[in-house]
Amino acid sequence: SQKIEQNSEALNIQEGKTATLTCNYTNYSPAYLQWYRQDPGRGPVFLLLIRENEKEKRKERLKVTFDTTLKQSLFHITASQPADSATYLCALRTGGFKTIFGAGTRLFVKA
Amino acid sequence: DTEVTQTPKHLVMGMTNKKSLKCEQHMGHRAMYWYKQKAKKPPELMFVYSYEKLSINESVPSRFSPECPNSSLLNLHLHALQPEDSALYLCASSPTAGPTGGELFFGEGSRLTVL
Repeated sequence: SQKIEQNSEALNIQEGKTATLTCNYTNYSPAYLQWYRQDPGRGPVFLLLIRENEKEKRKERLKVTFDTTLKQSLFHITASQPADSATYLCALRTGGFKTIFGAGTRLFVKA
Repeated sequence: DTEVTQTPKHLVMGMTNKKSLKCEQHMGHRAMYWYKQKAKKPPELMFVYSYEKLSINESVPSRFSPECPNSSLLNLHLHALQPEDSALYLCASSPTAGPTGGELFFGEGSRLTVL
């Protein structure tokens, strides 16, 4: 069956450190992969998109890598801040009209 | 602020009630979506509209009835819901619905409680 797996355990890091979140998928051949941020009780907000032919994408303090051989994406937040505390969702766009989400990883950044 | 507007933000209804959730976007997007999200779970796709036509129904029970009156509006009509239908209902849009249709723009959601 098709799966998107993210570390279900919360990630606790100290302010200023780099947070690294992992997304693994099976039985998909996605055209691209996306990362979203979701705060409690609110809708997800798009952060970054990386295509299957791209290895890395950056935006300000964010960096995403995409390894289609390993079927894995890594999401990095450098110089993390307490305001970065949220749930981060990995999402795949399948060949049809569907965007499917992983369960998300909760990030806590301590001051 | 999100460019996808959902109303109402909160809705409490009985199992015999009929209510509707509304969603509006003015970004010229041609694909619109309904997702359902339970606490600590990922958003689950319910329906996809592409160019105002229903493209995907993820085997959603008929007590949920979507409607797309025009390219900017998306409704979800609710009737005879069950308590387990209580969840955050998210509307989203994207430029197109195909494989390279781009990122999803979500509204803030409608928190539904069924008593």
